[in-house]
Amino acid sequence: DTAVSQTPKYLVTQMGNDKSIKCEQNLGHDTMYWYKQDSKKFLKIMFSYNNKELIINETVPNRFSPKSPDKAHLNLHINSLELGDSAVYFCASSPPGRNLRNEQYFGPGTRLTVT
Amino acid sequence: KQEVTQIPAALSVPEGENLVLNCSFTDSAIYNLQWFRQDPGKGLTSLLLIQSSQREQTSGRLNASLDKSSGRSTLYIAASQPGDSATYLCAVYNNNDMRFGAGTRLTVKP
Repeated sequence: DTAVSQTPKYLVTQMGNDKSIKCEQNLGHDTMYWYKQDSKKFLKIMFSYNNKELIINETVPNRFSPKSPDKAHLNLHINSLELGDSAVYFCASSPPGRNLRNEQYFGPGTRLTVT
Repeated sequence: KQEVTQIPAALSVPEGENLVLNCSFTDSAIYNLQWFRQDPGKGLTSLLLIQSSQREQTSGRLNASLDKSSGRSTLYIAASQPGDSATYLCAVYNNNDMRFGAGTRLTVKP
């Protein structure tokens, strides 16, 4: 009965590889997000997405791309991984409405380590 | 550019104490402010969401206040328990962006 789930929980990979992190929510929400938590524990929004609008944080490299096969899923694809991509990535969702104005529900996070 | 600061960075209290966590933000034109807790190695759990038109929200032993004009929010925890030990994060939303503070790491000693 997990509300927002992410897989995998841990991901260790080498520089230059391409990887994906999956996110699924069973809350019936129509907006989903990806966040990056860096080593200093700051959380930064990367994307917010619903079936109408993708909003990209302009600081996110274009090696990162969200892909949504349906409303309940928002996967994060990362191409040509770099050492600086090592972080914990969180997926979140919120109910219908004006995106970030609504309460967000977070997944457990995926710890990505790039070697 | 919105900046969110949380003070103190870490706090240790004995069980049963009431405590206050602080959050300040530089741009008062926010739509809402949300308090989360994060347990080690875990995701974020939403505690309270305050819309910009509200001044406070309460849930159980938690009370969050918002003073937009001064750019401040406080999270009050009454009768603290060891299970409250976690990192508490505040986040503000404005301009289609959500900014988090670095968090306050709370330890409640039995």
